[in-house]
Amino acid sequence: DAEITQSPRHKITETGRQVTLACHQTWNHNNMFWYRQDLGHGLRLIHYSYGVHDTNKGEVSDGYSVSRSNTEDLPLTLESAASSQTSVYFCASSESLGTGLYGYTFGSGTRLTVV
Amino acid sequence: KNQVEQSPQSLIILEGKNCTLQCNYTVSPFSNLRWYKQDTGRGPVSLTIMTFSENTKSNGRYTATLDADTKQSSLHITASQLSDSASYICVVTDYNNDMRFGAGTRLTVKP
Repeated sequence: DAEITQSPRHKITETGRQVTLACHQTWNHNNMFWYRQDLGHGLRLIHYSYGVHDTNKGEVSDGYSVSRSNTEDLPLTLESAASSQTSVYFCASSESLGTGLYGYTFGSGTRLTVV
Repeated sequence: KNQVEQSPQSLIILEGKNCTLQCNYTVSPFSNLRWYKQDTGRGPVSLTIMTFSENTKSNGRYTATLDADTKQSSLHITASQLSDSASYICVVTDYNNDMRFGAGTRLTVKP
């Protein structure tokens, strides 16, 4: 069965370190997204990609980067981790550009703690 | 100010009871509204989607309503089960495919 997987599930890192969160999907979806989820806030878009070599900034992109070298993977990198980036991170993918109608398939999340 | 507001923030009900969750939005121009269920430690999963012309849509014990004039939606859960314990997230999409997420309602169903 097709799936979207995130790794690791939990990560603790120190302030200032570079961290990469992995996202891998086997749906063959062109569109992939990274969100962060914090208590009291809705999911907020960090970066997204509509295809290989395409990347775009979301509303909370500062301090994060992504790259898309193939259809299956969209790794999220925190260049220099800060305590404000402690959060739960969700990766998602969707079938078409009309993401609203077709919806997203979400991964199970990565809980990142920056100490 | 968030363009999608959900209420209540949290809710506790007894198993077998019904409940209604609310979503008010200011997103414009409106394209569609989706309700997601998010179990603890998991990603959100879509329950229903409603477009401008739809007033009511059901998915088993879940019934969503939409009033596009007042920009309000509700999710009604009938005969609740322990497995309904989760967060329920309202997501509104505009014509530019920008999605706005509500902060969610945390539902706890107790035996």
